[in-house]
Amino acid sequence: GAVVSQHPSRVICKSGTSVKIECRSLDFQATTMFWYRQFPKKSLMLMATSNEGSKATYEQGVEKDKFLINHASLTLSTLTVTSAHPEDSSFYICSALKQGAVTGELFFGEGSRLTVL
Amino acid sequence: DQQVKQNSPSLSVQEGRISILNCDYTNSMFDYFLWYKKYPAEGPTFLISISSIKDKNEDGRFTVFLNKSAKHLSLHIVPSQPGDSAVYFCAASVLISDSWGKLQFGAGTQVVVTP
Repeated sequence: GAVVSQHPSRVICKSGTSVKIECRSLDFQATTMFWYRQFPKKSLMLMATSNEGSKATYEQGVEKDKFLINHASLTLSTLTVTSAHPEDSSFYICSALKQGAVTGELFFGEGSRLTVL
Repeated sequence: DQQVKQNSPSLSVQEGRISILNCDYTNSMFDYFLWYKKYPAEGPTFLISISSIKDKNEDGRFTVFLNKSAKHLSLHIVPSQPGDSAVYFCAASVLISDSWGKLQFGAGTQVVVTP
């Protein structure tokens, strides 16, 4: 089956630094990727929609200057958490929509655990 | 405002028995529903989906039922196996739109299958 890979799977950083998380579709092209955030024992919350070659669309309440999203190619989207603070600590998950997909061909990455000290 | 709700945070079931997970939604625009299984520190794994034009979809041990008038769906797992122990998320989307792929998730139900 299709594989979506996230890197790094875990990252610890100091407050005030920036962290980049990559989401790659390994065996298919994805014109659209999505970024989610999950708090402990909570639902996955959609943060933004990442479209290849254009600006990301952010959900209400998500700071676009805080969470920079770049979708430079059909297989890679990146999420950069800028000037990270402890409250940004979370599990970040991406999903990729397979180009030309029929219903249901939406694949999730393994997630990235961010801990901000 | 939570548009997809899973009101049971946990479910314990004996191996071999049926697991029934429930999900309610409020947005009548949703026309496609999915169930995902998730282990800690991993991404969700797709289980089964259903379009609003159907009221039932079956795949092996997994069956999803949709009651559009009640805005309710359920996932049945039978027979339950120890490997089914995980958190199950219900998700909804609008299929025929630019929003396809943008999923609204419920809070999840932790299923524990006991021997």
